[in-house]
Amino acid sequence: DQQVKQNSPSLSVQEGRISILNCDYTNSMFDYFLWYKKYPAEGPTFLISISSIKDKNEDGRFTVFLNKSAKHLSLHIVPSQPGDSAVYFCAAGHNQGGKLIFGQGTELSVKP
Amino acid sequence: DTEVTQTPKHLVMGMTNKKSLKCEQHMGHRAMYWYKQKAKKPPELMFVYSYEKLSINESVPSRFSPECPNSSLLNLHLHALQPEDSALYLCASSQDAGSPDTQYFGPGTRLTVL
Repeated sequence: DQQVKQNSPSLSVQEGRISILNCDYTNSMFDYFLWYKKYPAEGPTFLISISSIKDKNEDGRFTVFLNKSAKHLSLHIVPSQPGDSAVYFCAAGHNQGGKLIFGQGTELSVKP
Repeated sequence: DTEVTQTPKHLVMGMTNKKSLKCEQHMGHRAMYWYKQKAKKPPELMFVYSYEKLSINESVPSRFSPECPNSSLLNLHLHALQPEDSALYLCASSQDAGSPDTQYFGPGTRLTVL
């Protein structure tokens, strides 16, 4: 049972344009969501998070939107840069312990 | 400073060897985690330590044995591994395991079992 899903395994975007990465979840108990960026053979790097009491959180070029009724979150990267090329994982957690449930990842490629 | 360090970076071991992976954080975090990640897959939780006590074991085989000597250190002892255990082993830490919190990951140890 995949509680966190990233349905697009890959995304290709032109440099300077917007990248939109999507994530859906099924467990309504989730109340904290995170996005991580991962380069090959490295650990995931934390990018941005949002709690369920908000619907938007912004940090520089990165904005996360949360739609609780649709159980959907998205990460917007504007403007996209070639250095953003990596695998992006969304993750979700709730108050019952420290478990994070990760999506399958979306590989973003930003072309110069 | 959000740094989690892991040693070694790479490890090759035979199926009869005993080895250990080490993880350290100096952020004052009270929760530490071990994950396993295979290529093109998300990280899979193995163990959670909260205040130096094992709080979650995700039904991991006993050939993996975690240890938390103090609040800054986390070890993973390996014995009699199988080739299918080859993966990237990630350590992470967070302020607290009792509520949702940002987990910060180390760079990982790339393990190859021959």
